[in-house]
Amino acid sequence: AQTVTQSQPEMSVQEAETVTLSCTYDTSESDYYLFWYKQPPSRQMILVIRQEAYKQQNATENRFSVNFQKAAKSFSLKISDSQLGDAAMYFCAYFTGTASKLTFGTGTRLQVTL
Amino acid sequence: GAVVSQHPSRVICKSGTSVKIECRSLDFQATTMFWYRQFPKQSLMLMATSNEGSKATYEQGVEKDKFLINHASLTLSTLTVTSAHPEDSSFYICSANGEGSYNEQFFGPGTRLTVL
Repeated sequence: AQTVTQSQPEMSVQEAETVTLSCTYDTSESDYYLFWYKQPPSRQMILVIRQEAYKQQNATENRFSVNFQKAAKSFSLKISDSQLGDAAMYFCAYFTGTASKLTFGTGTRLQVTL
Repeated sequence: GAVVSQHPSRVICKSGTSVKIECRSLDFQATTMFWYRQFPKQSLMLMATSNEGSKATYEQGVEKDKFLINHASLTLSTLTVTSAHPEDSSFYICSANGEGSYNEQFFGPGTRLTVL
């Protein structure tokens, strides 16, 4: 079974600084997708970034980028120039067509301080 | 973008009653819809997957008779919590994906259920 591990329950970053959230996963599949979702206090799940496993290039979306290490099964999220609005729960998630469902990690609560 | 709505956003009911939660895809046809449950400060737990016109596939440990799922059209799925009890109190989230986007799910805003 696929598992997703987020080892940092809470992280804190100062406004305008950079923070990296960790995620590791376990799978025997070769074709899959990885996602980072943000859940602010409103609890609406928002897709932050996605990575196709077959792509070697790391995905980037504005201030958000990932470090995808397929051999190490690691998928970390880097948030640059952190803003107050980035404060939220961040969930790493894994998807494969075999199971056709998302598997979520336990989440990391990110605090952004002035 | 793809929008998914849920109704109601909050519901309070008495123990023993049934509650229905609707999930709608507003601007796309949802071939598959998913229902999640989220306890406070915890992750999302998949309850079931439903395809339009088919019976839902429930995850291990989820009571089919307690959580009835109907996916009668390509834009609507419903979750009915039957004979609700206080332990069913939780945040329920639906998501959907459409044709050509099987690996991306669009999430609804969630429904907070409180059973007294």
